Amino acid sequence: GAVVSQHPSRVICKSGTSVKIECRSLDFQATTMFWYRQFPKQSLMLMATSNEGSKATYEQGVEKDKFLINHASLTLSTLTVTSAHPEDSSFYICSARLPGVENSPLHFGNGTRLTVT
Amino acid sequence: DQQVKQNSPSLSVQEGRISILNCDYTNSMFDYFLWYKKYPAEGPTFLISISSIKDKNEDGRFTVFLNKSAKHLSLHIVPSQPGDSAVYFCAAGLGSNYQLIWGAGTKLIIKP
Repeated sequence: GAVVSQHPSRVICKSGTSVKIECRSLDFQATTMFWYRQFPKQSLMLMATSNEGSKATYEQGVEKDKFLINHASLTLSTLTVTSAHPEDSSFYICSARLPGVENSPLHFGNGTRLTVT
Repeated sequence: DQQVKQNSPSLSVQEGRISILNCDYTNSMFDYFLWYKKYPAEGPTFLISISSIKDKNEDGRFTVFLNKSAKHLSLHIVPSQPGDSAVYFCAAGLGSNYQLIWGAGTKLIIKP
């Protein structure tokens, strides 16, 4: 069964508004979660690493003021796309690892399709 | 600089035959590799992994082969089934570093 839950699965918003995406680990605590973005016909691109209780670590080229990440609890990380623009339209996916297992694979949420009009 | 490459954007295979998906990497420091499967509008699903100390790992219909000297790994699916039609990503990692380096994916189409 699913170990990572992501919500919403689809969202349409107007330019200039903000959108929040939630990522929850089910039945386990995730001190670290990862946020990816996927453009059509391209690979997954790591945007940032979300750390519980501390600031997220952003990859080069990702605007931290635009993509706000909050990891306030051990089971929830949120990504807020602020002042959304049409070019932010994409597929956003979060992931987490089961704790205590070396090299355990990432488990992904089902992703969020964001469309900015 | 792409450290992990999947040079075939798509692959078409007859149902029942073997599907072979390939992946090349440039960083000899990678010490584990994973294959993920992704359906449209869903997150990737873990399939199988292999540590750099091994050259083969098998799980049911899926086998991953690693050739370290050639910096090449491949995923074999046999027999291929219609439900295997998806995009397959290979990814490489370094030790306890959480960051994975991803290939661009190969779309596998299984023809009935």
